[in-house]
Amino acid sequence: SYELTQPPSVSVSPGQTASITCSGDKLGDKYACWYQQRPGQSPVLVIYQDFKRPSGIPERFSGSNSGNTATLTISGTQAMDEADYYCQTWDSRTEVFGGGTKLTVL
Amino acid sequence: QLQLQESGPRLVKPSETLSLTCTVSGGSISSSTHYWGWIRQPPGKGLEWIGSISYSGTTYYNLSLKSRVTISVDTSKNQISLRLSSVTAADTAVYFCARRGGDATRNYFDYWGQGTLVTVPS
Repeated sequence: SYELTQPPSVSVSPGQTASITCSGDKLGDKYACWYQQRPGQSPVLVIYQDFKRPSGIPERFSGSNSGNTATLTISGTQAMDEADYYCQTWDSRTEVFGGGTKLTVL
Repeated sequence: QLQLQESGPRLVKPSETLSLTCTVSGGSISSSTHYWGWIRQPPGKGLEWIGSISYSGTTYYNLSLKSRVTISVDTSKNQISLRLSSVTAADTAVYFCARRGGDATRNYFDYWGQGTLVTVPS
């Protein structure tokens, strides 16, 4: 079965750029999306189709996907961005989620 | 604004069947452009996709759960339902319903319910 691998945790200082990776076999040949989940809340879609932002998502959130890795980048990270982030893709009629990355804004 | 609301028993005994309903408001579930899915999250852990369904009843399931899962749709009530049989403590989780795009290129969930915690005691 297809798997997506994320680092368990990433730390970033306020105002700096955070990058969260998501790895999977030939992931660049598929569409990837990203969700933000704050404690006790439902996931929120922040990036879809590799790099597109839904309405209402700040421009500091961006995405890319090439080769075996999709990347979520948060520029000018703010304290409110501290959350868990999950990548997701679709393979063989199966939705696949990454294990999640806890982003800490120090 | 589309809203999804999960409902159902919060406590299920081991070996019994978990049953949840997701009621959609602010939009019709009878759309050929979307699918509807169930996703769960055990306490302190990550997201796990359970399965998805179209308005016409086409389903696809997580293979690891397929033998125990049934997802159905009731367009007259604008609801989708989840049944998970033979539950154990490992099925304790927050269960979310969510809306997905209706084709392979729109493989993302753009609207989510608030989730409901279902506990199976050990």
